[in-house]
Amino acid sequence: AQTVTQSQPEMSVQEAETVTLSCTYDTSESDYYLFWYKQPPSRQMILVIRQEAYKQQNATENRFSVNFQKAAKSFSLKISDSQLGDAAMYFCAYRSPPKGGSQGNLIFGKGTKLSVKP
Amino acid sequence: SAVISQKPSRDICQRGTSLTIQCQVDSQVTMMFWYRQQPGQSLTLIATANQGSEATYESGFVIDKFPISRPNLTFSTLTVSNMSPEDSSIYLCSVGLRTGGTEAFFGQGTRLTVV
Repeated sequence: AQTVTQSQPEMSVQEAETVTLSCTYDTSESDYYLFWYKQPPSRQMILVIRQEAYKQQNATENRFSVNFQKAAKSFSLKISDSQLGDAAMYFCAYRSPPKGGSQGNLIFGKGTKLSVKP
Repeated sequence: SAVISQKPSRDICQRGTSLTIQCQVDSQVTMMFWYRQQPGQSLTLIATANQGSEATYESGFVIDKFPISRPNLTFSTLTVSNMSPEDSSIYLCSVGLRTGGTEAFFGQGTRLTVV
């Protein structure tokens, strides 16, 4: 079974600085998808960034980028120029490839609570 | 993309009663997922709801406690039955699109408090 581990329960960053959130996972599959979701106090799960395992290039979305190390099974999230609105819980998630045309469920890490100091 | 409407957004219930949570999607989806997020914890999959068949439950979750309906490709309900304070959690529904994309879309969640 696949597992996702986030070893940092809490992180703090100064506004405008850069922070990196760690995530490792365990799987025997060669093809899969990885995600970072943000959950603010509103509870809404918001997709931050995604990475397909077959892509060697690291995904980037504006101030958010990942460092995907497939051999090491590592998938860290870097937030540049941190903003107050970035404060939230961040969850790393794994998804197996679709089967029979249907997408599977997500497997989540325990989350990292990010605080942004003004 | 998909827009998911989840109701109610929050509720306070007496122990021993049941609550039904509704999840409405603005497009047809094959599979809908129900997650539980206990206070300060991560999301745990309760079950997968397939249209036209019985829901598939994860280890530790049973149909008698969490009955699920999936009458069509855009709607599902999760009932939390015979509630106890331990059922106080956020419950979220999630879908993936039938065609293309890998993103999972989430409802806004239902915050349940059992007293």
